[in-house]
Amino acid sequence: AQRVTQPEKLLSVFKGAPVELKCNYSYSGSPELFWYVQYSRQRLQLLLRHISRESIKGFTADLNKGETSFHLKKPFAQEEDSAMYYCALRANTDKLIFGTGTRLQVFP
Amino acid sequence: EPEVTQTPSHQVTQMGQEVILRCVPISNHLYFYWYRQILGQKVEFLVSFYNNEISEKSEIFDDQFSVERPDGSNFTLKIRSTKLEDSAMYFCASSFSGGEETQYFGPGTRLLVL
Repeated sequence: AQRVTQPEKLLSVFKGAPVELKCNYSYSGSPELFWYVQYSRQRLQLLLRHISRESIKGFTADLNKGETSFHLKKPFAQEEDSAMYYCALRANTDKLIFGTGTRLQVFP
Repeated sequence: EPEVTQTPSHQVTQMGQEVILRCVPISNHLYFYWYRQILGQKVEFLVSFYNNEISEKSEIFDDQFSVERPDGSNFTLKIRSTKLEDSAMYFCASSFSGGEETQYFGPGTRLLVL
């Protein structure tokens, strides 16, 4: 079965601390992985995708097929990073399969 | 920057009533989607739509649900006879093409069934 697991519902850090939001997936083929972010009172928006291998707002994520993980990392968190973060998988069709999300709180 | 829009932002209805949720996808997009998120749960795929027909639907998308693109701009989700468990946030999304293309989400419609 295709599944995305985000084990942490809430992650709280202080400004300037490193952040790692965990995401594990279950899929036997070659997945496409995404991170979507939802800031307070805003819509879901794409943060990054593994095929782009880019850094957005200082965030990076590396697909590790051996560990079936796609953790989101940022070396120095900022207050404006506070949001809900959703990891998502696209398997062999167009639909996105989402994890339950992790709320990141960055304290000043 | 073009955005997906959805109306209404909130809807309250009585159980058994029909509701229509409306979406205006980004104008040059060809693929359309509905997702929903029950409070406290994950965002779940409902249906995808391309070339005026459903291309995929989930188990949730039973006979009570239907989608339509009545004109060149709107994309609607109809729930024929709402149940309490249909209470959720409903998100519309669109993409220029399928496959690798990014899906852009609307702000959502919060549906409450009493």
